[in-house]
Amino acid sequence: KAGVTQTPRYLIKTRGQQVTLSCSPISGHRSVSWYQQTPGQGLQFLFEYFSETQRNKGNFPGRFSGRQFSNSRSEMNVSTLELGDSALYLCASSFGNIQETQYFGPGTRLLVL
Amino acid sequence: GENVGLHLPTLSVQEGDNSIINCAYSNSASDYFIWYKQESGKGPQFIIDIRSNMDKRQGQRVTVLLNKTVKHLSLQIAATQPGDSAVYFCAETLNDMRFGAGTRLTVKP
Repeated sequence: KAGVTQTPRYLIKTRGQQVTLSCSPISGHRSVSWYQQTPGQGLQFLFEYFSETQRNKGNFPGRFSGRQFSNSRSEMNVSTLELGDSALYLCASSFGNIQETQYFGPGTRLLVL
Repeated sequence: GENVGLHLPTLSVQEGDNSIINCAYSNSASDYFIWYKQESGKGPQFIIDIRSNMDKRQGQRVTVLLNKTVKHLSLQIAATQPGDSAVYFCAETLNDMRFGAGTRLTVKP
C-alpha cells in the first residue's frame, strides 16, 4: 500500500506570495492533518480534515488554510508569505481521527526569501 | 500554551545499551500518546502508542511507559542499534496532536 505522498517536495517563494501544498493520504484513510515543523517551534499542529470538513484547528493565523476533496486528498494554502513561514510542512493521514495511528508523508520544505 | 516537553535535547548511548527517552506532558485530559522517530530528511515514523487506560505497552525492542500521576511518558529502546539514531518525539492527543521538542539519540558503534 502506498504511503502518504506530498508535492512538491521543495519550494522557494518570496515574501508576499502565496503557496499551495498537496497531500495524498494512504488509500482508505479519511483523516488528514497538517503540521509545521521549524527548528525553533518544533512540530506544531495546523489543522485536521475529515470528510471534506475541517474538524480541528491549531493556533495559526488565518493566512493558513486548507481543504479536503471527496477523495480525501488535501491541500493547504498559505497566503501573504512571511519569512517565518519557512518550514517543513508535514501531512499525516489516519483512518478516522487524530487519535488513531497517523502516518506521515516526507514533507514539503518551503523556503521564503 | 500547553506543550509537551522533553527533559533532554540529546542522548548519546553505546551500541547494544538500552536507551530511555523521557517526556513530560501537561494536559491531564490527553488520552492517547505516541512516540515518533524522525530521521534526517524524512517525516516522523510511528514507533509505538499507548492509551491513557494503560501504564505500559511493549513492541519489538521498544517499551512505552505512562505515568499519569506525574504526567510522564518514556520510551525505552532495548539493545540500541546505530539505525536507531534519530530524533524522537512524543506526542499527546485530545482534540489535536501536540509534540514535544524532540530528543536526538546518537548511537555510538
